[in-house]
Amino acid sequence: KAGVTQTPRYLIKTRGQQVTLSCSPISGHRSVSWYQQTPGQGLQFLFEYFSETQRNKGNFPGRFSGRQFSNSRSEMNVSTLELGDSALYLCASSFLVPLGRSTDTQYFGPGTRLTVL
Amino acid sequence: TQLLEQSPQFLSIQEGENLTVYCNSSSVFSSLQWYRQEPGEGPVLLVTVVTGGEVKKLKRLTFQFGDARKDSSLHITAAQPGDTGLYLCAGLTQGGSEKLVFGKGTKLTVNP
Repeated sequence: KAGVTQTPRYLIKTRGQQVTLSCSPISGHRSVSWYQQTPGQGLQFLFEYFSETQRNKGNFPGRFSGRQFSNSRSEMNVSTLELGDSALYLCASSFLVPLGRSTDTQYFGPGTRLTVL
Repeated sequence: TQLLEQSPQFLSIQEGENLTVYCNSSSVFSSLQWYRQEPGEGPVLLVTVVTGGEVKKLKRLTFQFGDARKDSSLHITAAQPGDTGLYLCAGLTQGGSEKLVFGKGTKLTVNP
């Protein structure tokens, strides 16, 4: 079974641009969560989607948005990029809603490394 | 505000030594997870602890959840170079809007 895939793996953008990152979950998984990882703040929750609906959202500005398609694939978009948006963006999928059940494991993708110049 | 404080931030030890990583909070969590992340990869779940006082063992790794469900520890016995990596704890918050909050991680290096 293929794991979670994220594209692109690396991305360089300049301030003010926008970017779209893609995540394909493990086949059969319906839940996708997104995280931002930086050396200073660690891993921070962005948002979670289940069956095309956003179930939960972290404390990030409105420049960060996402969506999920009927095939469970998900995209996240960051508009008006800032230097501080440079980070590793991780996507995780699970069969059911991952939170609240100790047995639902989240499987992480390798991430997209975004550099904002 | 970092809900989960993880310590130490960096740890460099020799093969065969024992070590403990701590994860502390003033908040109560429904459950707590430990992950290991290697360079260029996403975190991989090692264990989930749910009950206060719970202890789980995974070969040379022992995980403990505090009685009050506010803290946790990871103990590695006889560390090996293959244990090198970034260890992350993550707590599931309580309340209506559950989410997973992560500690900043402990970067472990085991030297042969």
